[in-house]
Amino acid sequence: ETGVTQSPTHLIKTRGQQVTLRCSSQSGHNTVSWYQQALGQGPQFIFQYYREEENGRGNFPPRFSGLQFPNYSSELNVNALELDDSALYLCASRRNSATNEKLFFGSGTQLSVL
Amino acid sequence: DQQVKQNSPSLSVQEGRISILNCDYTNSMFDYFLWYKKYPAEGPTFLISISSIKDKNEDGRFTVFLNKSAKHLSLHIVPSQPGDSAVYFCAASAWSGNQFYFGTGTSLTVIP
Repeated sequence: ETGVTQSPTHLIKTRGQQVTLRCSSQSGHNTVSWYQQALGQGPQFIFQYYREEENGRGNFPPRFSGLQFPNYSSELNVNALELDDSALYLCASRRNSATNEKLFFGSGTQLSVL
Repeated sequence: DQQVKQNSPSLSVQEGRISILNCDYTNSMFDYFLWYKKYPAEGPTFLISISSIKDKNEDGRFTVFLNKSAKHLSLHIVPSQPGDSAVYFCAASAWSGNQFYFGTGTSLTVIP
């Protein structure tokens, strides 16, 4: 059983640029969520995708957008990067979108915005 | 608005003793609670969960207790082992929502 994989592991961008992060969900999982973890904080929910549709969003501006593909893999896109976007971005998948299904996390992408 | 709080940033425990990590929440709609463990350079890994219909769940050395009236949960690790040294996050979700709310984490150090 393949776990959640994310790429790249590290990324350095400058303010104003755009970035795309990628995630492959665990096999058998159709629901993917993205979380942002700033230094010293817990993961903060960005959004969730279920069957290629966004079905939940946290308190993040529209410049954070995403996609889910038919194979349930996902992308997180961030436009007009700001310094405060520097964080660990975690992708998590679960078997379905039922709320008592636990999340399985990838190792994350460490984004630094200079 | 931090709906899940872990007020102890760090905890040190001797090997073999009990580790108790605490978590408080404010949203009475939360009905599913989880603990995750995180090592540096890795994603969080699931440890144990509990639903609001229970007040205790055990899995080997790990036990989670839920006190709904106090909006408090705790994770007990006994006996603690050096390999348990990690950051522990508690998380909660409500049946009506799709997101998990995480605390800020407690860094546990188990001293050999």
